Amino acid sequence: AQTVTQSQPEMSVQEAETVTLSCTYDTSESDYYLFWYKQPPSRQMILVIRQEAYKQQNATENRFSVNFQKAAKSFSLKISDSQLGDAAMYFCAQSTGANNLFFGTGTRLTVIP
Amino acid sequence: EAQVTQNPRYLITVTGKKLTVTCSQNMNHEYMSWYRQDPGLGLRQIYYSMNVEVTDKGDVPEGYKVSRKEKRNFPLILESPSPNQTSLYFCASSLRTGTPLEQYFGPGTRLTVT
Repeated sequence: AQTVTQSQPEMSVQEAETVTLSCTYDTSESDYYLFWYKQPPSRQMILVIRQEAYKQQNATENRFSVNFQKAAKSFSLKISDSQLGDAAMYFCAQSTGANNLFFGTGTRLTVIP
Repeated sequence: EAQVTQNPRYLITVTGKKLTVTCSQNMNHEYMSWYRQDPGLGLRQIYYSMNVEVTDKGDVPEGYKVSRKEKRNFPLILESPSPNQTSLYFCASSLRTGTPLEQYFGPGTRLTVT
């Protein structure tokens, strides 16, 4: 069974600073994908970034990047130059070939002006 | 506009009164899924469907039913709702089964069972 762990229920960051959200996972699958989703107060689930497990290169999307450590089963999200609009709940998730997503419990990020 | 729609967005009901939450996508996606979100638990999968007439249980299927008679629709049915089904529900869809592409989420349905 897949499990995803986010050990930081809450985090805060000063505007324009950098913050890293942690995620670890456990799977017996060799082929899988990892995701970070953002959920703002509107409750909409928004895909932030995706990483294929077979790719060694860390994914990057503008100010968002990941540190993917496959051997350690770690998948952290780094947000650079934090903005007020980044304030949200962030969920780490893992998916196998069946498309089923397994989510962590989330990290609530507060951005301090 | 490509989207996943859910109705209703908010629903307050009483224990035992059957209800259906509809989900529809206009992207011709093969895969559809239902999740519930509860504080401190994240999102958990209820049921999923890999194509028309193909459905399977997720992690928390008890008390729920689904059907997939058409590709675009995937309703969630609660035959006899109970207070422990009070939750935020999300429908999601993905283009193909077997390749973990991005899942597109609906706006969510806030259900309260009293």
